[in-house]
Amino acid sequence: GAGVSQSPSNKVTEKGKDVELRCDPISGHTALYWYRQRLGQGLEFLIYFQGNSAPDKSGLPSDRFSAERTGESVSTLTIQRTQQEDSAVYLCASSRLREGYTFGSGTRLTVV
Amino acid sequence: GESVGLHLPTLSVQEGDNSIINCAYSNSASDYFIWYKQESGKGPQFIIDIRSNMDKRQGQRVTVLLNKTVKHLSLQIAATQPGDSAVYFCAPFSGNTPLVFGKGTRLSVIA
Repeated sequence: GAGVSQSPSNKVTEKGKDVELRCDPISGHTALYWYRQRLGQGLEFLIYFQGNSAPDKSGLPSDRFSAERTGESVSTLTIQRTQQEDSAVYLCASSRLREGYTFGSGTRLTVV
Repeated sequence: GESVGLHLPTLSVQEGDNSIINCAYSNSASDYFIWYKQESGKGPQFIIDIRSNMDKRQGQRVTVLLNKTVKHLSLQIAATQPGDSAVYFCAPFSGNTPLVFGKGTRLSVIA
């Protein structure tokens, strides 16, 4: 597509439930990134996919967080047993290697 | 890891004035730098980039200056407009590691 698409744009969930966030990157972009942004804060790196290489999961805050990517296509970020501290905007970006990132508009997650 | 700092968390400028947003980085191996603009409720958008073999690059109303000696970047916005109100992030590339973003500088334009 023309840009990075994320869905849903907003998600409200009850504490303890699992959520799945989806990212459709730009076609041809081999790299895909997930970041988390808490209110008024900067972007916190979560996970990075590059082609068929093993993902860089060094930013995932706990084992409740996981992500998958199908080839060089869609990625899903899953948060299990959500906690209130997981409330944030989750941003996905894609790029060609060593080029600037194109970000989606994010998914605003609210855990109540 | 990369450490990115910003000299001012907020900046208020009068409409029509020039804005200067500063950024310091710590990794001397960083060789590519990007400025992003994030408006409320949106994802960050690419503004301008610069590679380490340059010390200045100009775009439309924006100029980025790079001083590798002191590991400092600045973003200059000419004739600041209300639409420039946003949070600005600098992001240095080091190898193939993911970009590290600081907290950003919030630019408020006073009409």
